[in-house]
Amino acid sequence: ETGVTQSPTHLIKTRGQQVTLRCSSQSGHNTVSWYQQALGQGPQFIFQYYREEENGRGNFPPRFSGLQFPNYSSELNVNALELDDSALYLCASSPGGTGTNYGYTFGSGTRLTVV
Amino acid sequence: GENVEQHPSTLSVQEGDSAVIKCTYSDSASNYFPWYKQELGKGPQLIIDIRSNVGEKKDQRIAVTLNKTAKHFSLHITETQPEDSAVYFCAASIGGGGADGLTFGKGTHLIIQP
Repeated sequence: ETGVTQSPTHLIKTRGQQVTLRCSSQSGHNTVSWYQQALGQGPQFIFQYYREEENGRGNFPPRFSGLQFPNYSSELNVNALELDDSALYLCASSPGGTGTNYGYTFGSGTRLTVV
Repeated sequence: GENVEQHPSTLSVQEGDSAVIKCTYSDSASNYFPWYKQELGKGPQLIIDIRSNVGEKKDQRIAVTLNKTAKHFSLHITETQPEDSAVYFCAASIGGGGADGLTFGKGTHLIIQP
């Protein structure tokens, strides 16, 4: 059984650019969530995808968007990068389906630095 | 929305002693409370969780207690070992998350002194 894998592990972008982060969910998991973790803070919920649709969103602006594919893998896209977007981006998958996040498995994250 | 407060921010204990980390939450509708351990360079790992219909849950050296009336829950680690050193996060959600996801505390850096 493979866990959650994220790519790339590290990324440096310039302010104003766009970035795409990728996530492969754990085998058997059909729900994917994305979190932003600033240095020294707990993760903050960005959004969740189930059956290729966004079914939950935290307090993040529309320039944060995502996709989920038929194989349950997912992408996080961030447009018009700002310095404050520098953080660890975590992907989590769960087997629960819509409305539930029981049994999250997190990936190791992508460290994004915006300069 | 939900707000989770976690204390202390840093906890240092002697190897073999017990460690207790406490969290409070604000939304009385929250009913799922997981705890995560995060080691350097890794993502958070679920170590134990509790649902609001249960007051206590134990798994070997780890236990979690929940007081719904007071809206607080705690993580207890007994017989601490060097490999317990990590950052621990509590979280809360309604129905395990979904539309609102998990709301995390700011974390506790647990240091086990040899």
